[in-house]
Amino acid sequence: AQSVTQPDIHITVSEGASLELRCNYSYGATPYLFWYVQSPGQGLQLLLKYFSGDTLVQGIKGFEAEFKRSQSSFNLRKPSVHWSDAAEYFCAVGGPTGTASKLTFGTGTRLQVTL
Amino acid sequence: EPEVTQTPSHQVTQMGQEVILRCVPISNHLYFYWYRQILGQKVEFLVSFYNNEISEKSEIFDDQFSVERPDGSNFTLKIRSTKLEDSAMYFCATTDRLGGELFFGEGSRLTVL
Repeated sequence: AQSVTQPDIHITVSEGASLELRCNYSYGATPYLFWYVQSPGQGLQLLLKYFSGDTLVQGIKGFEAEFKRSQSSFNLRKPSVHWSDAAEYFCAVGGPTGTASKLTFGTGTRLQVTL
Repeated sequence: EPEVTQTPSHQVTQMGQEVILRCVPISNHLYFYWYRQILGQKVEFLVSFYNNEISEKSEIFDDQFSVERPDGSNFTLKIRSTKLEDSAMYFCATTDRLGGELFFGEGSRLTVL
């Protein structure tokens, strides 16, 4: 069965500092990987996704993520965090075409940004 | 930008009552999903729906739950007899193709008393 682990429940960074949110997955085949962001009271917005090809993917809002098959990881990074990035971040895994939209989510990492 | 719309944004109901949550998908989307997020927990898949039938459902989606597309536009989730543990945020998501990006609505918060 597929699963996602986000080891950090809560992270605090200063505005302007770099950010890395960790995500490890378990999946029996080539995974489809996603990062979503959820602001308070809002829905889930897709930041970026990895299906195949270049293992470093660029997303919206200056985020990027790197797929490392050997480590079963898909960590999210941003070089310089803005106060508006404070939100909850979810990593998710899906399968090949038939089930890519049936996602398994991690428990999320809440990001707090201090000024 | 097209968006998925959910109503109501928040519903409070008594245990045992029926609840219907509604979703208006993006117009050209054909694949529909419901996900649930209990407060403080992860987002969980409930059910997927395509061509007027359920494609897949999770263990959570028991006989108390049903989905339909009654009028060709709305996509609804019905809980027949709500339980306390049904209290959660329910997200509708849609996509135009299998494997395509999922677009999520803002969610409907259900509180069962």
